[in-house]
Amino acid sequence: GNSVTQMEGPVTLSEEAFLTINCTYTATGYPSLFWYVQYPGEGLQLLLKATKADDKGSNKGFEATYRKETTSFHLEKGSVQVSDSAVYFCASRYTGFQKLVFGTGTRLLVSP
Amino acid sequence: EAGVAQSPRYKIIEKRQSVAFWCNPISGHATLYWYQQILGQGPKLLIQFQNNGVVDDSQLPKDRFSAERLKGVDSTLKIQPAKLEDSAVYLCASSLESESYTFGSGTRLTVV
Repeated sequence: GNSVTQMEGPVTLSEEAFLTINCTYTATGYPSLFWYVQYPGEGLQLLLKATKADDKGSNKGFEATYRKETTSFHLEKGSVQVSDSAVYFCASRYTGFQKLVFGTGTRLLVSP
Repeated sequence: EAGVAQSPRYKIIEKRQSVAFWCNPISGHATLYWYQQILGQGPKLLIQFQNNGVVDDSQLPKDRFSAERLKGVDSTLKIQPAKLEDSAVYLCASSLESESYTFGSGTRLTVV
């Protein structure tokens, strides 16, 4: 079936530290992959996406590369800020199906 | 452009009572989704509309949940009767194309 697994949180970092949040997907077909961010009290916002193998999505200093060989889409940022504190969701969508399938979310806490 | 509007933002009800949520999607977006996000979990699709027709309601608990999208614009999601395990954030989203989801801020339901 269609599923997404991401690392459990919370992830606690100091400002300017390097961030990695792992995400893997089931290898049935070739889905589009997404990272969404949810700030406290707000709705989900699309952070970045990739639609095919080896694509790199990027936005606001965050990056993720679609790795078909490892069925992964890990989120990275070289230097996190306090304002990046939020919950991050990895999601997939298979061609022909419009629904998004989400991982369980990873809470990121960045301290000054 | 205006975002996806949802109301109310918060609702507290007793178990066995009924409750309704409202969603106004982005103008022109043909596809509308309702997701349920239980605390500590990723959002799960409840129902998907294409204009005013149901595309996917496979995970909607139809014995207590119902949804409609009159005239292919606004949508309401109803729970009757509510159970404790229905406590969650109910997210509405809309899209013009399947890659371009926009989420509302959600309605946080607490069943006591």
